[in-house]
Amino acid sequence: DQQVKQNSPSLSVQEGRISILNCDYTNSMFDYFLWYKKYPAEGPTFLISISSIKDKNEDGRFTVFLNKSAKHLSLHIVPSQPGDSAVYFCAASASDGQNFVFGPGTRLSVLP
Amino acid sequence: KAGVTQTPRYLIKTRGQQVTLSCSPISGHRSVSWYQQTPGQGLQFLFEYFSETQRNKGNFPGRFSGRQFSNSRSEMNVSTLELGDSALYLCASSLWPGGMDQPQHFGDGTRLSIL
Repeated sequence: DQQVKQNSPSLSVQEGRISILNCDYTNSMFDYFLWYKKYPAEGPTFLISISSIKDKNEDGRFTVFLNKSAKHLSLHIVPSQPGDSAVYFCAASASDGQNFVFGPGTRLSVLP
Repeated sequence: KAGVTQTPRYLIKTRGQQVTLSCSPISGHRSVSWYQQTPGQGLQFLFEYFSETQRNKGNFPGRFSGRQFSNSRSEMNVSTLELGDSALYLCASSLWPGGMDQPQHFGDGTRLSIL
């Protein structure tokens, strides 16, 4: 049973436009959420996180939105750049000390 | 500040052999987690160590084991290798164990190929 889902395996966006990556979770105990970016042959790189006491967190071109009632979070990248082309993983954890749980990833392609 | 270091980067083994992978966390980080990534799959959690103790374990057979040393460095071992063990093995470190509002930072992984 997948606790963290990313239902879009891939997404293509034109350079300069907005990229929206979505993530859904089932475990109501999750209270800390993260997004990672991964290039081929490299480990995932931490992008941005949000705790459940917030509904939005912003860092430069990256904004994460959290809708606790819908158990849904999204990552917005504005404006999208070709260097953003990578696989994006959503992850979640609970403050009871359980391990991080990762989604299957979404491959973003930003077209010039 | 040095990142998470994993050695070796690439490894080729044959079925039935065993393998040991090494991970040096970011200085000051005491929690180390291991993940397996196979083509088309997300990151599957293997285990997490904190202060030399295994805190959490994923749904993997007993052939997969690990340990953590007093300097927080960690090793994972896979015995009796099978073709399906071919994967990218990722190590991640953090100050504290998972779930305490701080991210994990990953190494670049060890690519293990089983022939």
